[in-house]
Amino acid sequence: EVQLVESGGALVQPGRSLRLSCAASGFTFDDNSMHWVRQAPGKGLEWVSRISWNGGNIAYADSVKGRFTISRDNAKNSLYLQMNSLRAEDTAFYYCAKDVSLGLGIDYWGQGTLVTVSS
Amino acid sequence: QTVVTQEPSLTVSPGGTVTLTCASSTGAVTSGYYPNWLQQKLGQAPRALIYSASKRHSWTPARFSGSLLGGKAALTLSGVQPEDEAEYYCLLYDGTSWVFGGGTKLTVL
Repeated sequence: EVQLVESGGALVQPGRSLRLSCAASGFTFDDNSMHWVRQAPGKGLEWVSRISWNGGNIAYADSVKGRFTISRDNAKNSLYLQMNSLRAEDTAFYYCAKDVSLGLGIDYWGQGTLVTVSS
Repeated sequence: QTVVTQEPSLTVSPGGTVTLTCASSTGAVTSGYYPNWLQQKLGQAPRALIYSASKRHSWTPARFSGSLLGGKAALTLSGVQPEDEAEYYCLLYDGTSWVFGGGTKLTVL
């Protein structure tokens, strides 16, 4: 059974940093690209970032480019999102999601972790 | 950046059929946009339904079907069930990144 478990969400002040983690199991982690998607409370989904199986191909949404860094550790079956210079508008549930094979989209989702940016 | 547009809300009767659409600001949606459809119920994580325009995941009920229709991606629900009431999102690949639509709130009434 595929499982994606996010952690690291917290209340942080504007301008500070936070690192999210996603522990993956139930599939061959290093066979798949992975995504981060976020959702502000009561709002729609926003794609944040994607990393290829070996980290060699990375993409970001314009809203986070230059502030967020996606990475992965295939030996630990883990995905990460380093978030710097956080803003109030980054407040959201952050979901880890698995790419469908061959980069055709997203299939499995985690349950999300909440990041609140507030002073 | 690409803007993806969906109907804000739709209403359908139980047992009926409804089609949700997904348009791109860059032009006609083609298979190269790899359209995905996801369902999200209140308080839950999203659940994937369709990928690559028309492919169902193993858990997707047969009453959900995806297609390309008139330059848009489309999700058709046939024989709608009360439990299909949810928010539905489309997701498109614009060549470098992925973009979600704003979502369609489907009411079954």
